[in-house]
Order: sequence, then C-alpha cells, then structure tokens
Amino acid sequence: QKEVEQDPGPLSVPEGAIVSLNCTYSNSAFQYFMWYRQYSRKGPELLMYTYSSGNKEDGRFTAQVDKSSKYISLFIRDSQPSDSATYLCAMRNQAGTALIFGKGTTLSVSS
Amino acid sequence: DVKVTQSSRYLVKRTGEKVFLECVQDMDHENMFWYRQDPGLGLRLIYFSYDVKMKEKGDIPEGYSVSREKKERFSLILESASTNQTSMYLCASLPRTNTGELFFGEGSRLTVL
Repeated sequence: QKEVEQDPGPLSVPEGAIVSLNCTYSNSAFQYFMWYRQYSRKGPELLMYTYSSGNKEDGRFTAQVDKSSKYISLFIRDSQPSDSATYLCAMRNQAGTALIFGKGTTLSVSS
Repeated sequence: DVKVTQSSRYLVKRTGEKVFLECVQDMDHENMFWYRQDPGLGLRLIYFSYDVKMKEKGDIPEGYSVSREKKERFSLILESASTNQTSMYLCASLPRTNTGELFFGEGSRLTVL
C-alpha cells in the first residue's frame, strides 16, 4: 500500500460547484497535513496547512483531517475558473523533514 | 517576499551530457530539496540537504548528485543525462523550525534527447 493515495481525476465541475478533494494515508505518525495548488507550468504553492486533526477554513477553502480514518479532505465552495489547477496533498510526521506527496488531482472549473 | 529561484526554466540536452540545475533561495532556510515531477507518478524526492555540505538521499537518487557549498544554493547534477531523466525538476526550501510549508521554485523542464 502506498503511503499516500490521491485520486488523480481529472475532475471537471461547473462554476459555482462545491468541490471535494481527498487523500488517504497509511502512516499513523503523520501529524502535519498540507494542500498545495499547482497551476500549469508553475511550482506548487501552499494553500492550506493543518496540524493534527480538525478543520481549518480560509475563505472558500476548508481543510479537514480525520486521523482516526487516516483521511484528509479539501473542500472548495463556489468554485471559480481560477481554481482550475492540480491539487496536491502532502504530509509528514513530527520528526520528519521531507514531505510525502499524493500524486495530485487535476481540477477543471468551467464558466 | 519568499523566493526560490531556479535559473533555467527550460533545457534541452543530449544523452550523455552533464547537466547542472541551479536553485537559490533568499530566505536563509536550512533545508533544501530537489524533486522530480512526472505525470502519473507525482512528486518524487531525489535528494535533500539540511545544512551546508550535508546531503541525504531521497527516494530516487540514482543517476543524480547534489552540491550545497553555500546555504542559499543547492545544485542538482546529472552526470550523464539519459532520456528517462526527461522531467520537471522542482527545487524547494524549508526553515529548520519548520511547520511543513515547503516553498517551491517555478520548476525546470528538462528534455533529454
């Protein structure tokens, strides 16, 4: 079993839709959970960061971590064409330095 | 503003050539990383460095070496480029007291013919 699993998509939604992106993981030691957004031909940029379990909201974006199920989610409300990008989940444990990434989900929002 | 700069955005090289990919960060970060990104495979760690002159192998170090002579600069070296090293290469940095936020460069797209 891979350490981090992420459905690659592609995922196509109309403008205004609610989008749910998910990752599962196998290492119960992971404590730090992140979502990165990557536009075409650009480097990834941090979108959301969560430590341990719980929810975090930032504008139209909500990150959820369920450590008991080893499952993290990113919700995008009122999706916009500018949200069209690849979304990468990433995580690491307390002691680790290097992040473990999911393969990324490609999202397309049509106007 | 945080900045990780990769000097070459696009390179085309021939099989057997030696290739240098340079990365500079201006944030005084201790940790620096080289990833490659391929469709269907995601981001894979090649090497990382947690201090000057220090390096650690990542998941796929074969065919690569690195150099960190100064804190701000981390170089990836392909001693003898091969076609299977055609990829997007991403450099990233992270402070020692890290919360996990990697700062990435724009990437270097390498094509080996």
